[in-house]
Amino acid sequence: SAVISQKPSRDICQRGTSLTIQCQVDSQVTMMFWYRQQPGQSLTLIATANQGSEATYESGFVIDKFPISRPNLTFSTLTVSNMSPEDSSIYLCSVDSGGWQETQYFGPGTRLLVL
Amino acid sequence: GQNIDQPTEMTATEGAIVQINCTYQTSGFNGLFWYQQHAGEAPTFLSYNVLDGLEEKGRFSSFLSRSKGYSYLLLKELQMKDSASYLCAAMDSNYQLIWGAGTKLIIKP
Repeated sequence: SAVISQKPSRDICQRGTSLTIQCQVDSQVTMMFWYRQQPGQSLTLIATANQGSEATYESGFVIDKFPISRPNLTFSTLTVSNMSPEDSSIYLCSVDSGGWQETQYFGPGTRLLVL
Repeated sequence: GQNIDQPTEMTATEGAIVQINCTYQTSGFNGLFWYQQHAGEAPTFLSYNVLDGLEEKGRFSSFLSRSKGYSYLLLKELQMKDSASYLCAAMDSNYQLIWGAGTKLIIKP
């Protein structure tokens, strides 16, 4: 399985500011995913990021609020823009294992608290 | 619409067996996943089923019935460290994972 790291692991931010979360993988992967998990709830997919193309956003998520970069096959960033307390959540990146199982492996997550 | 149902919470005793059920409705089907998530940590992959039947992996087994849209995760010889949330996810025809809300498993001594 891939080894995935995220930075920062946690942050406390002020309303109206932006935070960029980095996701680094130890191997080249085609598909990377960004999820949000609010306390006590399951995972909600924000967007899918493929290298060399624009990210594909799920319903309820827009590029202006959650811009994503995918400059190469081992790295991606998610920015949470103009934050409000409702953005307080855990943000997780995951990668597709490839192969027939299409298993997703997750990074350790970024815990964000917006005051 | 697409939907995953699993119990919110279950309680079991150390050393016992517990079965966590999951029913799913998706547009197409490309497999059923189970993940374990300890509090404050990221989900970790447990199992994948795409064919009917039981897949055994140590103390954990996962079962799938495609005709019934049903899966379960069976945990044997429960240990305190098995206290966690267990997430069921079905992959639809677009290879997108549809996630359940998770089952919080509480293990008592």
